[in-house]
Amino acid sequence: DGGITQSPKYLFRKEGQNVTLSCEQNLNHDAMYWYRQDPGQGLRLIYYSQIVNDFQKGDIAEGYSVSREKKESFPLTVTSAQKNPTAFYLCASSISFYESYTFGSGTRLTVV
Amino acid sequence: RKEVEQDPGPFNVPEGATVAFNCTYSNSASQSFFWYRQDCRKEPKLLMSVYSSGNEDGRFTAQLNRASQYISLLIRDSKLSDSATYLCVVNRAIGGGADGLTFGKGTHLIIQP
Repeated sequence: DGGITQSPKYLFRKEGQNVTLSCEQNLNHDAMYWYRQDPGQGLRLIYYSQIVNDFQKGDIAEGYSVSREKKESFPLTVTSAQKNPTAFYLCASSISFYESYTFGSGTRLTVV
Repeated sequence: RKEVEQDPGPFNVPEGATVAFNCTYSNSASQSFFWYRQDCRKEPKLLMSVYSSGNEDGRFTAQLNRASQYISLLIRDSKLSDSATYLCVVNRAIGGGADGLTFGKGTHLIIQP
């Protein structure tokens, strides 16, 4: 079955550490996205990518980095520069920007 | 005005009742509209797309009013399993900053037995 897979489901980060969240899709979608969701809050766009080897900053890109070396993969690195990284991170993909998105099951990141 | 605005609720509704909620959007050039459902601590899932002519899927009906820039969701004969947060989603028009879809913060619905 086609889908989008995020790993790990739970991740704990120490202060000053960089961590990388994985996102893989086998839907043959061109566009991929990373969102952050805080408790009781809406989704905020971190980065998005329209095609391989191209990506754009979203609304809250500071302290994050991404790569898009393969169509299927769009990993997100949360760097030590991100001062408040504890959140629920959601990866999504779509055929195009204006089509509906399919989401992965998310990664919960906690700073310890 | 926010890009997408929803009443956060919660809407407490008895099982079997009909419930409706609206969402307003700011960009008159938006072309794509959706309702997503998000259960607690889960990812959002597409409930239905919203077309200009309105559309129905079982107990769910979605309407679009372009003149007033709002979309609505109607749930008939509500079930306990309908309890969730419903997200209104609208595309950002080209040139409107970061591209793609904009998600509202959601309306929390609680169906009571």
